[in-house]
Amino acid sequence: KAGVTQTPRYLIKTRGQQVTLSCSPISGHRSVSWYQQTPGQGLQFLFEYFSETQRNKGNFPGRFSGRQFSNSRSEMNVSTLELGDSALYLCASSLTPPSGGSTDTQYFGPGTRLTVL
Amino acid sequence: GQNIDQPTEMTATEGAIVQINCTYQTSGFNGLFWYQQHAGEAPTFLSYNVLDGLEEKGRFSSFLSRSKGYSYLLLKELQMKDSASYLCAVRDEGGYQKVTFGTGTKLQVIP
Repeated sequence: KAGVTQTPRYLIKTRGQQVTLSCSPISGHRSVSWYQQTPGQGLQFLFEYFSETQRNKGNFPGRFSGRQFSNSRSEMNVSTLELGDSALYLCASSLTPPSGGSTDTQYFGPGTRLTVL
Repeated sequence: GQNIDQPTEMTATEGAIVQINCTYQTSGFNGLFWYQQHAGEAPTFLSYNVLDGLEEKGRFSSFLSRSKGYSYLLLKELQMKDSASYLCAVRDEGGYQKVTFGTGTKLQVIP
């Protein structure tokens, strides 16, 4: 079974631009969570989607948004990029959502490394 | 909200045992996860504890004390490939339960 895939793997943007990142979960998984990872802050939760609905949102500004499609693939968008948005963006999929108390394992993708210049 | 503390770095010798601690202060608790993350790679799931006590899985064990807000990950018979960051994550309780990660403990295994 193929793992979680994320595209692109690397991205370089300039301040003020916007970016869209994509995540394809493991086949059959309907829950997708997004995280931002930086050396100083560790893994910070962004959003969680299940069946095309956002179930949970972290403490990030409105410039960060996401969505999930009927095939469970998910995208996240960051508008008006800032230097501080440079990070590794990780997506994780599971059969059922962690927010529902599920003990299903979350499987992480390889991440998208975003650099903002 | 959640506040999770782990040591930033640890060093241990190949073949030895190391214990990585995690303490948390939470507004609610519904489970604690440990993940391993090698440099440049995605985190991989190691263990999940929701009840007090020790869960053993091969060379790795995880312990939880809910009353103390404390967990540890125990790695036995350390191997060089165990050099990685170890992330502790706590799920809160309520309608929609968020999973909050600590900043991770970078473990270096030396010969």
